[in-house]
Amino acid sequence: SAVISQKPSRDICQRGTSLTIQCQVDSQVTMMFWYRQQPGQSLTLIATANQGSEATYESGFVIDKFPISRPNLTFSTLTVSNMSPEDSSIYLCSVRGAQTEAFFGQGTRLTVV
Amino acid sequence: EDKVVQSPLSLVVHEGDTVTLNCSYEVTNFRSLLWYKQEKKAPTFLFMLTSSGIEKKSGRLSSILDKKELFSILNITATQTGDSAIYLCAVNAGGTSYGKLTFGQGTILTVHP
Repeated sequence: SAVISQKPSRDICQRGTSLTIQCQVDSQVTMMFWYRQQPGQSLTLIATANQGSEATYESGFVIDKFPISRPNLTFSTLTVSNMSPEDSSIYLCSVRGAQTEAFFGQGTRLTVV
Repeated sequence: EDKVVQSPLSLVVHEGDTVTLNCSYEVTNFRSLLWYKQEKKAPTFLFMLTSSGIEKKSGRLSSILDKKELFSILNITATQTGDSAIYLCAVNAGGTSYGKLTFGQGTILTVHP
């Protein structure tokens, strides 16, 4: 299985600021996915990040709020911009694995105050 | 729009009990159904199901898919307190949605000693 390192593990941020979450994979992958899990809710896909092209965002998510970078086949970042308390969530990156369609990083627990 | 519905939303049992968790789905271009266990932040992969009627088993956990009736069940026998978690069902659609997962709301399982 792929090993995914996601940083930071958790953070508490002031409203109006931005946080960049990093996701590093130990093997080259074509697609990386970013999910959000709001408190008490299930996982919702934010966007799909492909290397060499712009990310594809799901309905309800926009690039200005959640800019994504994918500089190479092993790394991606998600930025949560101009944060408000409603952005308090767990953010997860995932990649496809050999035995599963989605293998997740450890997640980032974000609290906006 | 793809849809995944899990039931029950929560379940409280005692150690040794057997539980059955349900997942129904509506999705175009079905590719696979996945079960995850979420204890803290990152969902842990349990099973991936692609074919009807073939049971996947791992220890006390087992799962089966019915593609005709569009549902899956996850069984846990002889439950232990360590089984307490959120169990998530997700469906992967093919075509242009390849690789993206649609998650159900999750079932919160609590196992008392």
